[in-house]
Amino acid sequence: QQQVKQSPQSLIVQKGGIPIINCAYENTAFDYFPWYQQFPGKGPALLIAIRPDVSEKKEGRFTISFNKSAKQFSLHIMDSQPGDSATYFCAASMDSGGSNYKLTFGKGTLLTVNP
Amino acid sequence: NAGVTQTPKFQVLKTGQSMTLQCAQDMNHNSMYWYRQDPGMGLRLIYYSASEGTTDKGEVPNGYNVSRLNKREFSLRLESAAPSQTSVYFCASRRDTLSDTQYFGPGTRLTVL
Repeated sequence: QQQVKQSPQSLIVQKGGIPIINCAYENTAFDYFPWYQQFPGKGPALLIAIRPDVSEKKEGRFTISFNKSAKQFSLHIMDSQPGDSATYFCAASMDSGGSNYKLTFGKGTLLTVNP
Repeated sequence: NAGVTQTPKFQVLKTGQSMTLQCAQDMNHNSMYWYRQDPGMGLRLIYYSASEGTTDKGEVPNGYNVSRLNKREFSLRLESAAPSQTSVYFCASRRDTLSDTQYFGPGTRLTVL
């Protein structure tokens, strides 16, 4: 049972475009929603994260929009650059701050930003 | 700080062979995790250790065992490797209950023939 559904699987945009990656979850007990970025041959690294008490969080060119009632959240990349080309994973967890905290990941989106 | 390190980087096994994947972190983190990454499947949790001396099953534990040797090290063992265990394996760590960020190692690419 997939608890976090991510779309699209792949995305190609031109430099300066605004790619949007969407995720939907089912478990209302989730209380922490991070996005991880992974470059080829590397491990994932935390990009940005949000908690359900806010509807939007921005860090530099990266923004998370969160819709608690729809159980959806999305990543927007403003002014995308070729260096943003990577695989992006959304994730969700419950027991945030607790000892049983663990992440459930979406299947990933391969983003290509063309020059 | 080296962060999270994993050995080996690459490994090829024959069906039925055993091996241990090593993971170590030098950030004094309490929690450690093992994931596998397969094309189109995202990252799936195999086992995790919330603190030294404890381990728990994740989403896909069958065919694996783990050992939290000490606070720094968390190993993953395949007792009898199967082709279905061909994957990229990532270890991750998390500081403590005050932080939800997981830090990932560079991965081990395992092929089982």
